[in-house]
Amino acid sequence: NAGVTQTPKFQVLKTGQSMTLQCAQDMNHNSMYWYRQDPGMGLRLIYYSASEGTTDKGEVPNGYNVSRLNKREFSLRLESAAPSQTSVYFCASLGPNEQFFGPGTRLTVL
Amino acid sequence: LAKTTQPISMDSYEGQEVNITCSHNNIATNDYITWYQQFPSQGPRFIIQGYKTKVTNEVASLFIPADRKSSTLSLPRVSLSDTAVYYCLVGESGGYNKLIFGAGTRLAVHP
Repeated sequence: NAGVTQTPKFQVLKTGQSMTLQCAQDMNHNSMYWYRQDPGMGLRLIYYSASEGTTDKGEVPNGYNVSRLNKREFSLRLESAAPSQTSVYFCASLGPNEQFFGPGTRLTVL
Repeated sequence: LAKTTQPISMDSYEGQEVNITCSHNNIATNDYITWYQQFPSQGPRFIIQGYKTKVTNEVASLFIPADRKSSTLSLPRVSLSDTAVYYCLVGESGGYNKLIFGAGTRLAVHP
């Protein structure tokens, strides 16, 4: 099992550019999550999803969109990147007791 | 949503026992308490989960008083490799819900 995978690992964007962060899990989990973590801070929930086609807003959804393509994949899109979105983005899936996290995507917006 | 409060930082020395307390005054009946550990540049990873009384596994113990308004993560005989950020979360075990992380406790273990 690969667990939770995220692509890309690193990305640099210019202000106004768009991009999609990809996340996939092979543990057959229903619920998936996107978090962002700014330097020296805790994780903040952006969006989460119970199943294919279902998504809910977290603490900081503005500036982001998500798609739960199928049970395995949950993508996060930045339509018009801003410097305030410079952060590390973590995807997670929820098992019976715990969340499993991916390795993160380090995004810099210039 | 049950909000959690933890100390921002703690310091310890190798070989000592470390206790990190988390307050969750408005915990709901169906909520469990889960602790995660995060190293720099990595995602959090699960340490332990409990509902009431005491839970112990190979790396930690979790103490939960009868009123469940707080919990204490106990790390026995810490080493330098236990230097990390520790997060306490409250929510239904395995249930679909808005899992919110607090600021966490930054533990520094010194030689």
